[in-house]
Amino acid sequence: DGGITQSPKYLFRKEGQNVTLSCEQNLNHDAMYWYRQDPGQGLRLIYYSQIVNDFQKGDIAEGYSVSREKKESFPLTVTSAQKNPTAFYLCASSGDRGIYEQYFGPGTRLTVT
Amino acid sequence: GQNIDQPTEMTATEGAIVQINCTYQTSGFNGLFWYQQHAGEAPTFLSYNVLDGLEEKGRFSSFLSRSKGYSYLLLKELQMKDSASYLCAVVSGGSYIPTFGRGTSLIVHP
Repeated sequence: DGGITQSPKYLFRKEGQNVTLSCEQNLNHDAMYWYRQDPGQGLRLIYYSQIVNDFQKGDIAEGYSVSREKKESFPLTVTSAQKNPTAFYLCASSGDRGIYEQYFGPGTRLTVT
Repeated sequence: GQNIDQPTEMTATEGAIVQINCTYQTSGFNGLFWYQQHAGEAPTFLSYNVLDGLEEKGRFSSFLSRSKGYSYLLLKELQMKDSASYLCAVVSGGSYIPTFGRGTSLIVHP
């Protein structure tokens, strides 16, 4: 079955620690995205990548970093510089450049205390 | 930038019809998506409108008026499982990346 996976589902970290969220897809999609969702908020774009070895900042990239070394994988690192890291993080992918619907992973709920 | 507006919350009765509105202000409109998101889960694609008019897909229909910057999602024969958040997302300018509204939380009661 083709799909997009994120792990883990729940993640707990202490303040000051960096943490990396995994995102893998086997849909052969070129484009991948990371969103953050807070209660009562829509999805806000953190980073996106249109092709391997290339990525662009979204609206709220500060305190986050990404890599795209393989087409299938787009991990997100939440660094200690992110002021309010506790949130629900969603990874998505879509077809080639152009307007296609996005396929979302199940999300990772990160809690930093 | 874009301004996308949706009602925060709506309630409806099982078996009824509900219309969820989305208004937007943008330049260079390219298309509008609707997604459904159950609590704690991933959003799933419902519809995509690029031309004016109504697109019907089973119990769900989506309407677009580009001149008015307006769309709605129509849900018929409501079921309890339709209780979810409905996200409107607009693609505009030279980008293919959608900008999401805050979502409308729909509560369906018996």
